[in-house]
Amino acid sequence: AQTVTQSQPEMSVQEAETVTLSCTYDTSESDYYLFWYKQPPSRQMILVIRQEAYKQQNATENRFSVNFQKAAKSFSLKISDSQLGDAAMYFCAYRNSNSGYALNFGKGTSLLVTP
Amino acid sequence: GAGVSQSPSNKVTEKGKDVELRCDPISGHTALYWYRQSLGQGLEFLIYFQGNSAPDKSGLPSDRFSAERTGGSVSTLTIQRTQQEDSAVYLCASSRRSHTNTGELFFGEGSRLTVL
Repeated sequence: AQTVTQSQPEMSVQEAETVTLSCTYDTSESDYYLFWYKQPPSRQMILVIRQEAYKQQNATENRFSVNFQKAAKSFSLKISDSQLGDAAMYFCAYRNSNSGYALNFGKGTSLLVTP
Repeated sequence: GAGVSQSPSNKVTEKGKDVELRCDPISGHTALYWYRQSLGQGLEFLIYFQGNSAPDKSGLPSDRFSAERTGGSVSTLTIQRTQQEDSAVYLCASSRRSHTNTGELFFGEGSRLTVL
């Protein structure tokens, strides 16, 4: 079974600064997807960014980017120019490409953004 | 609808009672998932429906938990004889056909269940 580990239960960043959230995963598969989801207090999970394992280029979505290290099985999220609205729980998730369909989630990192 | 809709938003019940949680997925999404989020934990997969195929119930924690999906749309998660450890947020998500999409799930806002 694939496991996803987020080693930082809580992180804090000042507004306009940059923060990196860590995620590692364990798999024997070569083809898979990785995701970062954001969960604000409203509880609705929102997709932040997605990475296909076969792509070497790191995904980027505006202020959000990832550092995907396939050999190290590491998938960190970098948030640049942090905003108060970025405060939320962030979950890293894994999904096989060819088998399985449910996402495996880490336990999450709570991000606090201070003015 | 525009998004995944779940009801009730919050439910408080007494130990031993049965509860039903409802999920209305995004129109046209054939895949539907239930997850459980306990305090301080990640999301635990419960059950998956894909079209008219038999559901994958491998994540259901006990036989007190069951789910159905009528007409390939609305789903109901039923918990019988609730226990205090069932207290959690139950999240529903939907997606397009699982083997042709890139895995993005669209989530509802969840149903918070509190068992006294």
